[in-house]
Amino acid sequence: KAGVTQTPRYLIKTRGQQVTLSCSPISGHRSVSWYQQTPGQGLQFLFEYFSETQRNKGNFPGRFSGRQFSNSRSEMNVSTLELGDSALYLCASSLDGSLAGVNNEQFFGPGTRLTVL
Amino acid sequence: GQSLEQPSEVTAVEGAIVQINCTYQTSGFYGLSWYQQHDGGAPTFLSYNALDGLEETGRFSSFLSRSDSYGYLLLQELQMKDSASYFCAVRDQSGNQFYFGTGTSLTVIP
Repeated sequence: KAGVTQTPRYLIKTRGQQVTLSCSPISGHRSVSWYQQTPGQGLQFLFEYFSETQRNKGNFPGRFSGRQFSNSRSEMNVSTLELGDSALYLCASSLDGSLAGVNNEQFFGPGTRLTVL
Repeated sequence: GQSLEQPSEVTAVEGAIVQINCTYQTSGFYGLSWYQQHDGGAPTFLSYNALDGLEETGRFSSFLSRSDSYGYLLLQELQMKDSASYFCAVRDQSGNQFYFGTGTSLTVIP
């Protein structure tokens, strides 16, 4: 079974621009979560989508948005880029992961390294 | 929200045993997970404790004590390839979102 894929792997943008990142989950997985990883802040949760609906959202400004398509593929968008948005953006998929007592294993993609100049 | 604290760095000798602790402040969560991440790689799932006690998976074991707000990952018979960052994580019951710990960088030396 193919793993989680993310495109592009590397991206360089300038301040003020916007960017769209893509994530294809493992086949059959309905939940897709996005994370921002930086050396200073670690792994921080952005949002989670399940069945095309945003189910949870972390503490990020409205410049960060996302969506999920009927085939579970997801995109995240960052508008008006700032220098501080430079980070590794990770996508993770899971079967569902919302039930108590269920192994909440998430499968991560390789990430998109975004550099904002 | 949740706060999960881990030691930032740990160094251990090949073949030895190392314990990576995770202390947390939380109002309620489903269980404690552990992930491994090599430099430049994606985090990969190691273990999950839904209940208090010890879970063993090969050379790795994980422990959870909700009454002590504490958990740990135990790595035995350390190998050089175990050099990586390790993260504890929870999914909270109120907001249903994932929180990751601060991460521990493990270096295994010969």
